[in-house]
Amino acid sequence: QQQVKQSPQSLIVQKGGISIINCAYENTAFDYFPWYQQFPGKGPALLIAIRPDVSEKKEGRFTISFNKSAKQFSLHIMDSQPGDSATYFCAASIPGGGNKLTFGTGTQLKVEL
Amino acid sequence: DSGVTQTPKHLITATGQRVTLRCSPRSGDLSVYWYQQSLDQGLQFLIQYYNGEERAKGNILERFSAQQFPDLHSELNLSSLELGDSALYFCASSVGNKGGGRETQYFGPGTRLLVL
Repeated sequence: QQQVKQSPQSLIVQKGGISIINCAYENTAFDYFPWYQQFPGKGPALLIAIRPDVSEKKEGRFTISFNKSAKQFSLHIMDSQPGDSATYFCAASIPGGGNKLTFGTGTQLKVEL
Repeated sequence: DSGVTQTPKHLITATGQRVTLRCSPRSGDLSVYWYQQSLDQGLQFLIQYYNGEERAKGNILERFSAQQFPDLHSELNLSSLELGDSALYFCASSVGNKGGGRETQYFGPGTRLLVL
């Protein structure tokens, strides 16, 4: 059962543009929503994370927007750079019972010059 | 570099065989997680250990087992391997919140398993 749906599957953005990746979840018990960045041949690395009591979180060029009522959250990458070309995964976890992450299917981002 | 190490980096084996993947967590981290990444299933949580004890279980096959040792390193054992087990296997670690939730997980570089 796919509990976190991610779109688009792939994305091409021009350098300097805004990259937007969307995720939707079903389980209202989720209370932690991290985004991970993965480069080819590497493991995923935490980029930014948000809790549901906050509607937006910004770290540098990366912003998470969170809509609790719609059960959706999105990653915005401002001023996208070729070095941002990677696969991005949204994820979610439920408090208690461990810290397991349920991942979205991933978005392959390519930033072109 | 996340500080999480995994060996081997690549593994090629035949169907029906058994392999062991090894993970050393970041210094001081008590929790270890195993994930499987495949093209058709994406990143799937397999199992978590906290300070030597199983903490959470995902859709891990009965042919797969894991353990965390007193020195906190972990091993994932895959037996009776099938072609469909070919995937990237990631280990992650976190500080270890016994209550669970909201901890940053640091991923290792993965072990690429190919079953022929």
